[in-house]
Amino acid sequence: GESVGLHLPTLSVQEGDNSIINCAYSNSASDYFIWYKQESGKGPQFIIDIRSNMDKRQGQRVTVLLNKTVKHLSLQIAATQPGDSAVYFCAESYYGKLTFGQGTILTVHP
Amino acid sequence: DARVTQTPRHKVTEMGQEVTMRCQPILGHNTVFWYRQTMMQGLELLAYFRNRAPLDDSGMPKDRFSAEMPDATLATLKIQPSEPRDSAVYFCASGFSGGYTDTQYFGPGTRLTVL
Repeated sequence: GESVGLHLPTLSVQEGDNSIINCAYSNSASDYFIWYKQESGKGPQFIIDIRSNMDKRQGQRVTVLLNKTVKHLSLQIAATQPGDSAVYFCAESYYGKLTFGQGTILTVHP
Repeated sequence: DARVTQTPRHKVTEMGQEVTMRCQPILGHNTVFWYRQTMMQGLELLAYFRNRAPLDDSGMPKDRFSAEMPDATLATLKIQPSEPRDSAVYFCASGFSGGYTDTQYFGPGTRLTVL
């Protein structure tokens, strides 16, 4: 029969464009948030994090925005490169336990 | 370059067999997590240790799964007996609780196939 699995959101961009990946989290008491990147055949890799007392944090080519009012997290990637193609997960932390979102597939076309 | 290591990277076994997966956390980390990743369920937390003590294994089927930390450098996840529905990628992650962040660093995973 037909297999049923998670239908991950997808985002396709051209090389050099900026990418924005969104995530809704569930627990208003979560105090820490992380974005992970997972390439095929590999484990999730830490990209950037933010604590709940902040609304923006910047890294190298990446920015995370946190809107606690609507429980929304976003990851912005500047000048997206083919090497950025992967599945991106957001995770919320509550007492040290992470709960992961379903993930977004980012495809970067040269 | 400190990283979490996992062995084996791939395991194919037959239904009913025992499977043991091993993890070496990053030196100095005091938390260890076991996750299972499938297309159906995504990333699921199975068990969680802090300072080698099990804190939460509510995500783990207790009748067949067990997780231990014999020492600070080794965490194990056992399945006995294994079933085809256990086929998945199993990740170990480690972190440091008590610091500024709760960041977890993942190993490369063990891809388990139960026939």
